[in-house]
Amino acid sequence: KAGVTQTPRYLIKTRGQQVTLSCSPISGHRSVSWYQQTPGQGLQFLFEYFSETQRNKGNFPGRFSGRQFSNSRSEMNVSTLELGDSALYLCASRRGVGGASETQYFGPGTRLLVL
Amino acid sequence: TQLLEQSPQFLSIQEGENLTVYCNSSSVFSSLQWYRQEPGEGPVLLVTVVTGGEVKKLKRLTFQFGDARKDSSLHITAAQPGDTGLYLCAGYPSGTYKYIFGTGTRLKVLA
Repeated sequence: KAGVTQTPRYLIKTRGQQVTLSCSPISGHRSVSWYQQTPGQGLQFLFEYFSETQRNKGNFPGRFSGRQFSNSRSEMNVSTLELGDSALYLCASRRGVGGASETQYFGPGTRLLVL
Repeated sequence: TQLLEQSPQFLSIQEGENLTVYCNSSSVFSSLQWYRQEPGEGPVLLVTVVTGGEVKKLKRLTFQFGDARKDSSLHITAAQPGDTGLYLCAGYPSGTYKYIFGTGTRLKVLA
């Protein structure tokens, strides 16, 4: 069974640009969550999608948005990039929304560098 | 703000030594997960602890959930270089749906 895949793996952008990252969950998984990981702030929750609906959102500005498609694949978009958006963006999938009892499986991440 | 504080932040030990990593919060958690993350990869789940006072063992790793479900610990016996990585605790504070991660403990085991 294939794991969670994220594309691209590495990305370099300049300030002011926008970026779209993609995540394909494990087959059969309908929930996708996104996280930002930086050396200073650690791993922080961005948002979670289930069946194309955003269920939860973290404390990030509106420049960060996401969506989920009918095949459960998800994209996140960051507009008007800032230097502080440089981070590893991780996607995780799980079968449903069973809360803490349900294991999340993480992808390898997309490393974004904003110059 | 609901935080999960981990200590120590960094740990460098010799192969064969024992170590304990702590994960503390002022909030109650319905359960806690422990992950290990290696460079260039996403976190990989090691264990989930659910019941206050629960102890789980995974080979040389022992995980404990505090009685009040506000803290947890990870003990590694006879550490090996393969244990090197970033250890993270995480969970949903009771009553919330926002998954939070601990501050992380970066472990390096020297051969």
